[in-house]
Amino acid sequence: EVQLVESGGGLVKPGGSLTLSCEASGLTFRNAWMRWVRQAPGKGLEWVGRIKSGSDLGADYAAPLKGRFTISRDDSKNTVYLQMDSLTTDDTAVYYCSTISDPDYWGQGILVTVSS
Amino acid sequence: DLTQPPSVSVSPGQTARITCSGDALPNQYAYWYQQKPGQAPVMVIYKDSERPSGIPERFSGSRSGTTVTLTISGVQAEDEADYYCQSPDTSGAYELFGGGTMLTVL
Repeated sequence: EVQLVESGGGLVKPGGSLTLSCEASGLTFRNAWMRWVRQAPGKGLEWVGRIKSGSDLGADYAAPLKGRFTISRDDSKNTVYLQMDSLTTDDTAVYYCSTISDPDYWGQGILVTVSS
Repeated sequence: DLTQPPSVSVSPGQTARITCSGDALPNQYAYWYQQKPGQAPVMVIYKDSERPSGIPERFSGSRSGTTVTLTISGVQAEDEADYYCQSPDTSGAYELFGGGTMLTVL
């Protein structure tokens, strides 16, 4: 059974940074493309970005977030990360990690609150 | 962008159709997600019309030109949820989500 568990969320002040982790199990992680998606309170799903697998470990980001958000992975730990810098109140959301596969698998989500 | 109607309402046993339109759709597969309050999204359709294991047969997907459609035949109360379409953009480097459709079972 594939499981994804996010961690690292919480309360952060505007201008601060936070790194989320997503640990995967039940799949061959080194072959898995992974994505991050967020959902602001009462709003729809917003694609944050993705990271590929294998020799091409490049990441792609939603245009409004490029430069502030960084996705990385550690295949030895079956973990993908989302580093978020210069956070604003607009970044307050539940953040989900998921596989990019058919079908895909999602974590339970983790809340990030940006507030003074 | 992917455009969905904000809401669709149907009575139990009827057929619900949720559309999604976008310029990239003729060249990219579409995916559909169901999300219930407080839960993570669940994929109900992938690659336009394929149904993951465990998804009821009443869920189906189709496409016509720049529009894809999620059809739920014989809607049940448990189908009440938000539904999102998703697709890569024309370059394939980004993924787009529609704004979501709230399905209400009357």
